[in-house]
This record gives sequence, structure tokens and C-alpha cells, in this order.
Amino acid sequence: AQTVTQSQPEMSVQEAETVTLSCTYDTSESNYYLFWYKQPPSRQMILVIRQEAYKQQNATENRFSVNFQKAAKSFSLKISDSQLGDTAMYFCAFFRGGGADGLTFGKGTHLIIQP
Amino acid sequence: DTAVSQTPKYLVTQMGNDKSIKCEQNLGHDTMYWYKQDSKKFLKIMFSYNNKELIINETVPNRFSPKSPDKAHLNLHINSLELGDSAVYFCASSQTASGRINEQFFGPGTRLTVL
Repeated sequence: AQTVTQSQPEMSVQEAETVTLSCTYDTSESNYYLFWYKQPPSRQMILVIRQEAYKQQNATENRFSVNFQKAAKSFSLKISDSQLGDTAMYFCAFFRGGGADGLTFGKGTHLIIQP
Repeated sequence: DTAVSQTPKYLVTQMGNDKSIKCEQNLGHDTMYWYKQDSKKFLKIMFSYNNKELIINETVPNRFSPKSPDKAHLNLHINSLELGDSAVYFCASSQTASGRINEQFFGPGTRLTVL
């Protein structure tokens, strides 16, 4: 079974700063997918970024990028030029892929962007 | 043109009652899921349905039963509701395919409160 660990229950930064959220996982699979989901107070789950394990290149989506270290089983999310609208819960998720597996989520990091 | 919809968004009921939550997706996906988010925001997979077959059934009490009348719908029936069933329930869908990221699209969630 897979496990996902997010060691930062809460983080707070000033607007426009850069912040990094950490995520580690444990799996015996060689191919899999990793995701970061954002959950604002509206509670809607929004996909932020995704990474295929077989790709060495780190994924980027505008102000969001990841640092994927497969050997270390680490998948951190970097948010550049943080904005007030980035305030939300952020969940790291693991997906084994191929079939109808559900996502395995970490416990989440509550990110607060201060004005 | 909501991709994944759930009804109702809020549900307040008494212990011992039976209730249902409906989920519909218009994305043409072949797999649907139910997740439970507890009071600590932890998200856990409950069920997934692929082409009307139950693929995953985690250690969920048998008071919970998913029902899929067709590929676009996956309803969740809960019998004899207990206080501990209070949570937010998310429906999600994805298209299963090997070699591709199976991004899951989430519904808005249903907040269930059992009194």
C-alpha cells in the first residue's frame, strides 16, 4: 500500500513571497503519478499540477512548479509570487495508474498568504 | 456545463436515518469514485466504479453502498446513519487508460451532518 506524508500542517507567508510545500511518499511501484490538489474555503478540489514518475523533468504550471526526486520519493510544490487567492489547503496525492485506483492523499498543508 | 455534479450540497439528518447522495458526470469518463473527507480534512477513497463494476471497496461499513445506474452516475446510499458518518463526501470521475495520467475531476462535495 502507498502512503503519502505532508509534514507541514500549516504554513504562512507574505504575499509575493515564494513558498515550498513538502511531500514524501512510499511505494514499491516503479511507475505512478503524483498530483497536488488545492482546496480553497469553497471546498472544491482543484488540480494544481501533475507529474509522471517516468519523466525526469519537473512539471511547471505558471507560478507552480514541483521538485520531483524519485530516488528520495519526494515531491515538493513551489509557489512563486504567492497571491492572496493561493490561501487554501494543499493536498499531495499518489496514483498508481492504469486501472481504477483511487488517489492516496496526504493529510494536507494549510497555506495562508498574508497581505 | 458542470463536469461533475453532486446533490445535495448539504444534508442534515438524524441518526438512524437512511440517505442518498447523487453524483453525475458529463465528461464521458468510465470510472467514478467516492471519497470521504473527515473533520480533520483527511481524504480517503471509499469506492470506485469502472464500467459499472465495483473495483475498489476499502474498509467501509456495509451500511454504505454505491449504486451506478449507468456510466454517468454513481450514487451513494447510506443506511442507519451514525454520528461518525458526518463528513464531506466527494464524487470524482476519470478516464482509465494505460500510459496516460488519469486525472480525477471532483464534484463540489456534499457536507453530511448527522445529529
